[in-house]
Amino acid sequence: EAGVTQSPTHLIKTRGQQATLRCSPISGHTSVYWYQQALGLGLQFLLWYDEGEERNRGNFPPRFSGRQFPNYSSELNVNALELEDSALYLCASSLGGRGLGDTQYFGPGTRLTVL
Amino acid sequence: RKEVEQDPGPFNVPEGATVAFNCTYSNSASQSFFWYRQDCRKEPKLLMSVYSSGNEDGRFTAQLNRASQYISLLIRDSKLSDSATYLCVVILNAGKSTFGDGTTLTVKP
Repeated sequence: EAGVTQSPTHLIKTRGQQATLRCSPISGHTSVYWYQQALGLGLQFLLWYDEGEERNRGNFPPRFSGRQFPNYSSELNVNALELEDSALYLCASSLGGRGLGDTQYFGPGTRLTVL
Repeated sequence: RKEVEQDPGPFNVPEGATVAFNCTYSNSASQSFFWYRQDCRKEPKLLMSVYSSGNEDGRFTAQLNRASQYISLLIRDSKLSDSATYLCVVILNAGKSTFGDGTTLTVKP
């Protein structure tokens, strides 16, 4: 069974540009979570989608947004990129339904570098 | 005060040693707890869930102490391959998951 997949693996952008990151959950999972992990720091919760709806978001500005598609895949968009947005962006999926109490399985991440 | 706190370490132990990590959380309404393992520049991988009754998986034992608001992870007979960063995760009642910053373990020959 395929795990969580993310694309691209690496992404290099300049300040002010927009970045789009993609995530495909494990088959049968309806919940997708996004996290930011800056170098040397812990994981910071960004967004949670379930059944196509945004259910919760962390303490990030509105320029971090996303969506979940009918096939449960998800996109994370970061507008007006800033240098400090450089980080590993991790997507996780879970069966859904119980909220964040579900066990989450992580994808390999997208490493975003903002120059 | 952080919502979830872990001793960052590093913990440097010889092979075969027993090592324990704690993770404290501030919100008594927290619902679910997990331990993940993260290798350098890789994604976190689920290690085990944590229950009040304790949870054992081979050399690994996880425990939840709701009264004192901490979870623990015990690793017995440490192997070189156990070297990693161990992250605790606390799922809050409000539906947000909070990760600790991780505890780094290095097992040496």
